Amino acid sequence: LAKTTQPISMDSYEGQEVNITCSHNNIATNDYITWYQQFPSQGPRFIIQGYKTKVTNEVASLFIPADRKSSTLSLPRVSLSDTAVYYCLVGDRRSENFNKFYFGSGTKLNVKP
Amino acid sequence: DGGITQSPKYLFRKEGQNVTLSCEQNLNHDAMYWYRQDPGQGLRLIYYSQIVNDFQKGDIAEGYSVSREKKESFPLTVTSAQKNPTAFYLCASSMGRGSEQYFGPGTRLTVT
Repeated sequence: LAKTTQPISMDSYEGQEVNITCSHNNIATNDYITWYQQFPSQGPRFIIQGYKTKVTNEVASLFIPADRKSSTLSLPRVSLSDTAVYYCLVGDRRSENFNKFYFGSGTKLNVKP
Repeated sequence: DGGITQSPKYLFRKEGQNVTLSCEQNLNHDAMYWYRQDPGQGLRLIYYSQIVNDFQKGDIAEGYSVSREKKESFPLTVTSAQKNPTAFYLCASSMGRGSEQYFGPGTRLTVT
C-alpha cells in the first residue's frame, strides 16, 4: 500500500484558495488518489478522486502531475465551514487490498475570518 | 432518504462487558466497513465485508467481532478482550471495491 504524507495543519482566511499537497512517492501504476473531508465528531465525506492530470467537481479540483508522486487538492474561495480535516488516500481500485487503505492523520485546515 | 445509521450516538459500558454497535444501510451497497478513530488520529480499519456472510479482518481486528447476515446490517461487537475500547467508531458502506465510501454519524463508546 502506498504511504502518503500530508502537512499536519494549514491556516487560511475566508475567500482564499487553499491547496493541500499530498506526497505518495511509492504510488503504483493502478493506484487512484482519493480525498475525503471530515468534520469533528462526524464520518468522513468523499470529496474527489482521480488518476492523472486534473479532475474537477462542484467543490474541489485535484491536480496530479505526470509522475503521480504527489497530488494537490485545491479548494476555491474557502469559507469558515471548510474548517475540517482532509485525508489523502492512495490505492488500487481493482486490488483485493484496496479496501484496506490507510487514512493517516490527515491535514487539519483552519479557516479564519 | 438513503443513508447509513449508527446507534446509539453515545454508549457507556463498564470494563469487562461486551457491547454491540449497530450499523444499518439502505443504500443497497454490497460492501460495509468498521473503523476506529482515536482523538487527533486518522481512521483505522477494524473489519470489512464485501458480500453477505463474508468478512475480513482489517488492521486492528483483535478484540472485535462482526457478522454480516443481511446486506443491510453489519454489527460490531467490542469484546472484553479489547484492551482500550474507548474510541469513536465509524461504519461505512460502498457499492464495491474501490468505490466511494459513505459514512454513518458514528458511535462514541466510553468504557470505564
